[in-house]
Amino acid sequence: NAGVTQTPKFQVLKTGQSMTLQCAQDMNHNSMYWYRQDPGMGLRLIYYSASEGTTDKGEVPNGYNVSRLNKREFSLRLESAAPSQTSVYFCASSSPAGSGNQPQHFGDGTRLSIL
Amino acid sequence: GESVGLHLPTLSVQEGDNSIINCAYSNSASDYFIWYKQESGKGPQFIIDIRSNMDKRQGQRVTVLLNKTVKHLSLQIAATQPGDSAVYFCAENNAGNNRKLIWGLGTSLAVNP
Repeated sequence: NAGVTQTPKFQVLKTGQSMTLQCAQDMNHNSMYWYRQDPGMGLRLIYYSASEGTTDKGEVPNGYNVSRLNKREFSLRLESAAPSQTSVYFCASSSPAGSGNQPQHFGDGTRLSIL
Repeated sequence: GESVGLHLPTLSVQEGDNSIINCAYSNSASDYFIWYKQESGKGPQFIIDIRSNMDKRQGQRVTVLLNKTVKHLSLQIAATQPGDSAVYFCAENNAGNNRKLIWGLGTSLAVNP
């Protein structure tokens, strides 16, 4: 039962390099999310995709782009990495049920360091 | 210069005791609340959720209480075990906000054997 799978688990980049973080879910969820987590700051939403074919900015979108490749996959791209983007990145997915919310399910994260 | 980091609130309990983790939420229009557990090196793991038309919900060894009057949420863990040691996050959502969660900063729970 894989759930949400993120690759890679760890990455070190130099300032200015580009990188795509991959995320796939096998729960047939409609909605997918990218967060970053920094010490003492909780989880901050970067981008989300409410359904296949749509993406929207979250709280901290600057410096990132996303692609909802299909219903399963949602990738996050750093075009020109900066040290301020050193963080742990989490992907999550959820599926609306009726008129209510449903919990988001998370991957185990990508630990990214920008030198 | 010197950097200053934020330190998570920490709750320390003895194994076997009950734990209560508190959370104050910000938006009186929020209608869905959720608790997550995050162990070191892992992603947040869903524990329990509650909708605003309820004031209490129970799961296995966990109970969530919602007090909308004072915008307060709590997570009670019965008979706390060493495996419960983790950071616990509360999150809220306004159904009109396209399912974007608003996250608390977390509470670190340490269980002493």
